[in-house]
Amino acid sequence: DTGVSQDPRHKITKRGQNVTFRCDPISEHNRLYWYRQTLGQGPEFLTYFQNEAQLEKSRLLSDRFSAERPKGSFSTLEIQRTEQGDSAMYLCASSSPYSIAENTEAFFGQGTRLTVV
Amino acid sequence: GENVEQHPSTLSVQEGDSAVIKCTYSDSASNYFPWYKQELGKRPQLIIDIRSNVGEKKDQRIAVTLNKTAKHFSLHITETQPEDSAVYFCAASKGSGGSYIPTFGRGTSLIVHP
Repeated sequence: DTGVSQDPRHKITKRGQNVTFRCDPISEHNRLYWYRQTLGQGPEFLTYFQNEAQLEKSRLLSDRFSAERPKGSFSTLEIQRTEQGDSAMYLCASSSPYSIAENTEAFFGQGTRLTVV
Repeated sequence: GENVEQHPSTLSVQEGDSAVIKCTYSDSASNYFPWYKQELGKRPQLIIDIRSNVGEKKDQRIAVTLNKTAKHFSLHITETQPEDSAVYFCAASKGSGGSYIPTFGRGTSLIVHP
């Protein structure tokens, strides 16, 4: 499968534990996005990378959330001291512009469903 | 930041009818408007998109219209089929000078009754 892949697909954790998710974007896609989606809602933006640089973070992203994209390839999203309100589907997407100033389709991964108990 | 409103939240139609989903956006600098379809338990997938230099785009049974002045855009599905049943999301994003980050609407659950 040459699409965006995310690991794990499901994660159940106890409140207070740390969790880390991984996203492998489509090869050579330089833009990478993390979104959070809860039932009945659209994807909510969390953070955006262009290559290895984290260019934007949502105000939704508390200090307990951190994301990295070393070497501009895969990305990780870590949540520290998880809370029940963190339970959601975490989606990763990637895109590659035809030119630097252009918007193009974002391809989504299958997501990681987090349940905090 | 950008705010995208989407209506209706639920749309129920009979097979063969048309369906229309409407979105408005707040940032006049937005220039790219994709529509995604998400089936239950699956990832969102692009079905059609439109750029701000175009007023309408069509792909078989699906069409999208854009009114930049009013800052709204719509998805039209004709001759609906049961397999069109899914949640549809509109989005808006800016290009250069912006952040290329799609902001999504809350989604419309389309139910097509056979």
